[in-house]
Amino acid sequence: QKEVEQNSGPLSVPEGAIASLNCTYSDRVSQSFFWYRQYSGKSPELIMSIYSNGDKEDGRFTAQLNKASQYVSLLIRDSQPSDSATYLCAVNEDSGNTPLVFGKGTRLSVIA
Amino acid sequence: NAGVTQTPKFRILKIGQSMTLQCTQDMNHNYMYWYRQDPGMGLKLIYYSVGAGITDKGEVPNGYNVSRSTTEDFPLRLELAAPSQTSVYFCASSRRLNTEAFFGQGTRLTVV
Repeated sequence: QKEVEQNSGPLSVPEGAIASLNCTYSDRVSQSFFWYRQYSGKSPELIMSIYSNGDKEDGRFTAQLNKASQYVSLLIRDSQPSDSATYLCAVNEDSGNTPLVFGKGTRLSVIA
Repeated sequence: NAGVTQTPKFRILKIGQSMTLQCTQDMNHNYMYWYRQDPGMGLKLIYYSVGAGITDKGEVPNGYNVSRSTTEDFPLRLELAAPSQTSVYFCASSRRLNTEAFFGQGTRLTVV
């Protein structure tokens, strides 16, 4: 079983700051990468997907992928208390031939 | 647009009882999954299906069975409930293995 690693947190940031969430993976041939947000007691919802090296921006969210170093990160600009949740990194390993593997998630707390 | 629908939302089972968790999706996705999530942990894959009539084991299949008779439905069966199966169960679907997965609202199961 390949590994997807995340710092469990909690990561605490003040309102308006940038939150930086990191994820490393072990399978060099991974091709698809996803960030999900999960509020307490709710199901995961997709925030971002990224497939190529570099940055991908969507509103206040930026996903960054570095395949050579095998990490993917999520930046949340102008963090809001409503961003407080657990963020799950998911990786599609084995050249896309197996289902997504999820990290354990990082719990983010945005302090007003 | 319903997406992925799971029933029931909550269930308490006694040790040794059996039950079926229902999952249906209306997005015409070929790929469907069952994950379980324990407190503070990520999502662990139980079973998945790549189309009607085809299922495969995930990381933690013991104690569970699945079937896929139609594209829309992917029920998960617990035959002899054990306390170790106390968890939150999520059903998900996707267009392909390497695309984003969409989740149902989850079933919180307690075995006592």
